[in-house]
Amino acid sequence: GIQVEQSPPDLILQEGANSTLRCNFSDSVNNLQWFHQNPWGQLINLFYIPSGTKQNGRLSATTVATERYSLLYISSSQTTDSGVYFCAVGTGKLIFGQGTTLQVKP
Amino acid sequence: GAVVSQHPSRVICKSGTSVKIECRSLDFQATTMFWYRQFPKQSLMLMATSNEGSKATYEQGVEKDKFLINHASLTLSTLTVTSAHPEDSSFYICSARAGTANQPQHFGDGTRLSIL
Repeated sequence: GIQVEQSPPDLILQEGANSTLRCNFSDSVNNLQWFHQNPWGQLINLFYIPSGTKQNGRLSATTVATERYSLLYISSSQTTDSGVYFCAVGTGKLIFGQGTTLQVKP
Repeated sequence: GAVVSQHPSRVICKSGTSVKIECRSLDFQATTMFWYRQFPKQSLMLMATSNEGSKATYEQGVEKDKFLINHASLTLSTLTVTSAHPEDSSFYICSARAGTANQPQHFGDGTRLSIL
């Protein structure tokens, strides 16, 4: 099956800093989504991005499908950005990566 | 748009009880629904995929007689954990998708199940 690797596993930032999270996957996919899981367990859908680039406020994402990776950029981070970020990829069903745990300190 | 409602949000029950969790797509028709399980500090693991009116397809290692899935309509899927035991305690999350496989999945808020 598809393998999904996220890096880094943990990230600590000072408020206001920028960061880049990476998601590598092992096979061609037609679905790629980025999520933020908050402390209550809710999965917040950030991007549906099987290819190309999208931006939403301080967040943006780029997927290079031919090279099988996706990047999530967080600019001017805030303490409310803390939590776990997952990418999930697949064709039909989604396989989740292990996540990046982000802590933003004030 | 694309709201998925999951109920209950939390349930605590005694060992041996059966527990039913509902997943509803509120503003779209979900041809396919998915059930995931997440243990503490771990990622989400797909348990099964269900299409409306068909039997669910379970992932390897998931007991279909333990986790009964029903997808009787285009807006409702249920997961029943039968004869639950403490090791079944987990966070269960559903998702729903309209249309074809290249459409995004929309997730419910999850159900935290605790078996005493």
